[in-house]
Amino acid sequence: DIQMTQSPSTLSASVGDSVTITCRASHSIIRWLAWYQHKPGKAPKLLISDASNLESGVPSRFSGSGSGTEFTLTISSLQPDDFATYFCQQYTSYTFTFGQGTKLELK
Amino acid sequence: QVQVVQSGSEVGKPGASVALSCKTSGYTFTDYYIHWVRQAPGQGLEWMGLINPGDGASTNSRKFQGRVTMTRDTSTRTVYLELSDLRSDDTATYYCARDARGITSNWFDPWGQGTLVTVSS
Repeated sequence: DIQMTQSPSTLSASVGDSVTITCRASHSIIRWLAWYQHKPGKAPKLLISDASNLESGVPSRFSGSGSGTEFTLTISSLQPDDFATYFCQQYTSYTFTFGQGTKLELK
Repeated sequence: QVQVVQSGSEVGKPGASVALSCKTSGYTFTDYYIHWVRQAPGQGLEWMGLINPGDGASTNSRKFQGRVTMTRDTSTRTVYLELSDLRSDDTATYYCARDARGITSNWFDPWGQGTLVTVSS
């Protein structure tokens, strides 16, 4: 199975900051990676698919990049609504694994 | 719009079974896989398996083979997950989610709101 290692597990930042979250895959997943935002008690929300395709309606301050085994999610100019947990997912050839999640906290 | 809505919280005893439901709307039910994913307290997300609502065929993660049964009811556009032989480490929030593209290996969108299952005697 492909393992996904996400870092950091916790990130403290202020409104207006820019932050970056990283996911590393144990094997190449080409660009088959999605990023989600998850708030307690809510359904996870898709932000980015295929490593860098921004989902319709998602603010442009969210961006994704990477290929192969290393991927990043960057959130620029953090807004109050952005403080949540973020996780990555790989979806290669009918295997589906997730990063452990990054909790973005208000400093 | 496309929606997946899950059933409410469940409590099950060790060794018993629990059945969860995931009701869909807003799209052609038989054209998209539905996945089940769980998250135990303090843990990451874990893929459990998928079902093709078109023919009812399912594929489970090796970890859950023998304990997980996925079924669907096309008349109510609902997918079901039954987890048997419950153990304390099955305490988790269980999510259903639709494949974003169809009968494909792709990202999930949308997700349900989650069902909390607590295993307790």
